[in-house]
Amino acid sequence: DQQVKQNSPSLSVQEGRISILNCDYTNSMFDYFLWYKKYPAEGPTFLISISSIKDKNEDGRFTVFLNKSAKHLSLHIVPSQPGDSAVYFCAAARNNAGNMLTFGGGTRLMVKP
Amino acid sequence: DGGITQSPKYLFRKEGQNVTLSCEQNLNHDAMYWYRQDPGQGLRLIYYSQIVNDFQKGDIAEGYSVSREKKESFPLTVTSAQKNPTAFYLCASSIRGLNTEAFFGQGTRLTVV
Repeated sequence: DQQVKQNSPSLSVQEGRISILNCDYTNSMFDYFLWYKKYPAEGPTFLISISSIKDKNEDGRFTVFLNKSAKHLSLHIVPSQPGDSAVYFCAAARNNAGNMLTFGGGTRLMVKP
Repeated sequence: DGGITQSPKYLFRKEGQNVTLSCEQNLNHDAMYWYRQDPGQGLRLIYYSQIVNDFQKGDIAEGYSVSREKKESFPLTVTSAQKNPTAFYLCASSIRGLNTEAFFGQGTRLTVV
């Protein structure tokens, strides 16, 4: 039973355009959502997060949108840069459950120059 | 420099041998976690610890053991009972509290032959 799903295993975008990565979840108890970026053979690095009381959080080129009714969140990267090419993981946590993260399967983003 | 250190980066073991992966953090975080990543998949939680001398099983704890004798250290032992031990292992830590992100080490690639 996969509680966090990233249905697109890969995404290719032209440099300068917008990248939109999607994530769906099934557990309505999740109340904190995060995006991590990961390069091969390295640990994930934290990108941006959003609490369930918000519907949008922005940090520079990165914006995360949360639609609680649809149990859906998305990460927008504008403008996309070649250095953004990596695997992006969506993760969810329940604040009353020790902040353990449940991860999606990841989306590989390729930004072409 | 504060961070999480995992060692070694690459580890080879013969089938049937126990092996211990090291994880040390100097971030003064109370909580520590072990995740496993298999090719093309997301991260799955093996064990976590919210405080010294206490730890809990995650989603895939069978065949693994941990200890938390010091705040800074959370070693993971992969025992011979783990049926598919070859994987990329990631250690993480976080502060305790609401809406906090986890910080990851660089990972250990374990190959059992």
